[in-house]
Amino acid sequence: EMQLLESGGGLVQPGGSLRLSCAASGFTFSNYGMSWVRQAPGKGLEWVSTIGVVGNTYYADSVKGRFTISRDNSKDTLYLEMSSLRADDTAVYYCAKRAGGYVDYWGQGTLVTVSS
Amino acid sequence: QPVLTQSSSASASLGSSVKLTCTLSSGRSTYIIAWHQQQPGKAPRYLMKLEGSGTYNRGSGVPDRFSGSNSGADRYLTISNLQSEDEADYYCETWDGNSRVFGGGTKLTVL
Repeated sequence: EMQLLESGGGLVQPGGSLRLSCAASGFTFSNYGMSWVRQAPGKGLEWVSTIGVVGNTYYADSVKGRFTISRDNSKDTLYLEMSSLRADDTAVYYCAKRAGGYVDYWGQGTLVTVSS
Repeated sequence: QPVLTQSSSASASLGSSVKLTCTLSSGRSTYIIAWHQQQPGKAPRYLMKLEGSGTYNRGSGVPDRFSGSNSGADRYLTISNLQSEDEADYYCETWDGNSRVFGGGTKLTVL
């Protein structure tokens, strides 16, 4: 059974850093692009970043230069390194498997709260 | 970057059908989209891929009460025989080059 399990969320002060992880199982991780999608409290879904099979990376303008996506295919794990965090980065962060250009499987999410 | 427009809310009665709309921005009427469902307090769930031709492919385990269709730049999600568990937010998604984008979502209320 396919599974995506996020971890690493929590409370962080403005300007701080945090690293999210997503452990994948039930499919051949290295064969698929992966994304992070976030959802601020009471708001809709917002694409954050995508990493392709060969390691090519893409970012939303709102996080470019502050967030870094990466993957370790030997560990079947996706990462999101977040720095210079702001209050408007507060959200549930979902790990998502991509089928070409769209998401076809979602993780359960991890909450990131940026507050002093 | 493409824009996806969805109505903010919709409602329909238990056992009836409802058709939700996702409209692609100008010049992108051939784009493929995906539909996702998010029940209250839960993670999103992938429902289907919908091509510009109107062909759709449901995700694993998605009931056949969920179907897709299109007309020009409009992409539709039709839910038949509405059940109480269909009350949820529904999002469409597409991509263009390096950008991925979600519509604002439609909150469906089952009366």
